[in-house]
Amino acid sequence: DAGVIQSPRHEVTEMGQEVTLRCKPISGHDYLFWYRQTMMRGLELLIYFNNNVPIDDSGMPEDRFSAKMPNASFSTLKIQPSEPRDSAVYFCASSLGPRGQPQHFGDGTRLSIL
Amino acid sequence: SQELEQSPQSLIVQEGKNLTINCTSSKTLYGLYWYKQKYGEGLIFLMMLQKGGEEKSHEKITAKLDEKKQQSSLHITASQPSHAGIYLCGADAGGTSYGKLTFGQGTILTVHP
Repeated sequence: DAGVIQSPRHEVTEMGQEVTLRCKPISGHDYLFWYRQTMMRGLELLIYFNNNVPIDDSGMPEDRFSAKMPNASFSTLKIQPSEPRDSAVYFCASSLGPRGQPQHFGDGTRLSIL
Repeated sequence: SQELEQSPQSLIVQEGKNLTINCTSSKTLYGLYWYKQKYGEGLIFLMMLQKGGEEKSHEKITAKLDEKKQQSSLHITASQPSHAGIYLCGADAGGTSYGKLTFGQGTILTVHP
């Protein structure tokens, strides 16, 4: 079975540019999560969706970040404008339920903002 | 907010040795998840614990959740180089925070052949 698929795997762009990260969750999973991982702050939850609806976006660092889930098989995380401090590995994960079900992670997008 | 502390931060062992990684929470754990991560890759789910005193094993890895549900341990028996990586514990905060997991900072495991 296909796992969570993220694209691109690596992204290098200049400060001020718009960045769009993409995620395809595991089919049948109703929950989708976006995380950011850095050396300083570890793994942090940014936002999560249930049935395509954003449930909690309290982890989104600021208005430059936005996330959408137009359908059950696709989600995007957008940063506009990007800044060097946004450099991190961004992970998408999905699960069957909110509790008592493990989250399955994609391989991540390594983002570098110059 | 819930905080998870993992110890040790890093661990270097010789192949064949046993080892233990601990995960301690500042609050009661309603669900504790162990993951393994290799550099440049995503997190691989290992085990989930929900009940006080629960213990689960898979191959040479055993995870336990204490009775008070504030501490979990991950034990690897007869370690192998394939066990090397970063081990992270993640916790369900409980209450209305459905689906939100808080993660520890990770334990870097190196296994020398």
